[in-house]
Amino acid sequence: NAGVTQTPKFQVLKTGQSMTLQCAQDMNHEYMSWYRQDPGMGLRLIHYSVGAGITDQGEVPNGYNVSRSTTEDFPLRLLSAAPSQTSVYFCASNKASYNEQFFGPGTRLTVL
Amino acid sequence: AQKVTQAQTEISVVEKEDVTLDCVYETRDTTYYLFWYKQPPSGELVFLIRRNSFDEQNEISGRYSWNFQKSTSSFNFTITASQVVDSAVYFCALSEYNTDKLIFGTGTRLQVFP
Repeated sequence: NAGVTQTPKFQVLKTGQSMTLQCAQDMNHEYMSWYRQDPGMGLRLIHYSVGAGITDQGEVPNGYNVSRSTTEDFPLRLLSAAPSQTSVYFCASNKASYNEQFFGPGTRLTVL
Repeated sequence: AQKVTQAQTEISVVEKEDVTLDCVYETRDTTYYLFWYKQPPSGELVFLIRRNSFDEQNEISGRYSWNFQKSTSSFNFTITASQVVDSAVYFCALSEYNTDKLIFGTGTRLQVFP
């Protein structure tokens, strides 16, 4: 099992550009989440999904879109990148809300 | 609303010292789950432990131990005889049973010097 995979590992964008961060898991987990990690702020939940076709907002959803068309994939879209979105992004999956989450290796995004 | 507070931003110890990382949480739910994760310098997040709100037994795993006290809403983590490899950022997190979210604290950076 590959676990949770994220692509790309690094990305540099210019302000206003859009892009999609990819996340996939092969553990047949229903739950998937996106977090951003900023210095001194821990991990903050952006969006999450409890199954295919179901998504909901987390703590910091503005500027991001998600969709969940399959159990395996949970892409995160930045609609119009801003410097405030410079961060490390982690995708995670788990079997149920009370189970431990398995994290991907992260994507380091810089917006100039 | 759920909240996790890790008041210690950074802790430095010398190898073989014992160290305790504090975690205080807030929740209105009676059923909830608490977690600890480790983030070593390489950046990945590693699950350490999960505890549910009905199980207040302390847990020991090798040099790691956890003290869960509902009366003080705390779930503290102790490393005995610390080693350089324990240097990492440690996160405490909370999940309420009737929500689907995992809320993290801001983390404690532990530096263990030889």
